[in-house]
Amino acid sequence: SQQGEEDPQALSIQEGENATMNCSYKTSINNLQWYRQNSGRGLVHLILIRSNEREKHSGRLRVTLDTSKKSSSLLITASRAADTASYFCATDVRGDDKIIFGKGTRLHILP
Amino acid sequence: DAGVIQSPRHEVTEMGQEVTLRCKPISGHDYLFWYRQTMMRGLELLIYFNNNVPIDDSGMPEDRFSAKMPNASFSTLKIQPSEPRDSAVYFCASSKGWGPFNQPQHFGDGTRLSIL
Repeated sequence: SQQGEEDPQALSIQEGENATMNCSYKTSINNLQWYRQNSGRGLVHLILIRSNEREKHSGRLRVTLDTSKKSSSLLITASRAADTASYFCATDVRGDDKIIFGKGTRLHILP
Repeated sequence: DAGVIQSPRHEVTEMGQEVTLRCKPISGHDYLFWYRQTMMRGLELLIYFNNNVPIDDSGMPEDRFSAKMPNASFSTLKIQPSEPRDSAVYFCASSKGWGPFNQPQHFGDGTRLSIL
């Protein structure tokens, strides 16, 4: 897998259900961020989790980070139609002064 | 507060023409980033500035691409001459903090560029 690769590529769920997206990466990181992108718009920052943190919450969002497995997950609880968007993880690669975005997960919330 | 403002929102031009994309970052932000997004390659960092100084331009694809930041409230990304493979959505983002990638970035809504 490439640095910052999301899984699945696309996800459709019923409104009210929980949505889980995963991000895997290859090298050590300083932090990992999740962003949302609505169609035709710019990216919107959701959560930043640092390499020494394991879990963070923000409203209906829960992010976990497992540095031993080089993976992160984004959980959206009680999904709403407005959550329909693409979700990207971005890794701040340690020692490389780079930020790398994944290709994203397209989430579609069905009414 | 106004977010990051990009102009134009859409640009359609013929191959060989010069293209200039503009960005106004959020006031007080000291980092400014230019990205390109395509279906094939995803979101790629082209160049970023800190306090108006270019720090890393290793993502700029070719010499045809150039970026400037003459002051804290304005940046341009120029492509000359443009080619069809430059067609993409170009985003500008800004942030404030003690490092380029350890705080949230605020994105504009992008410029959708089509080179015919």
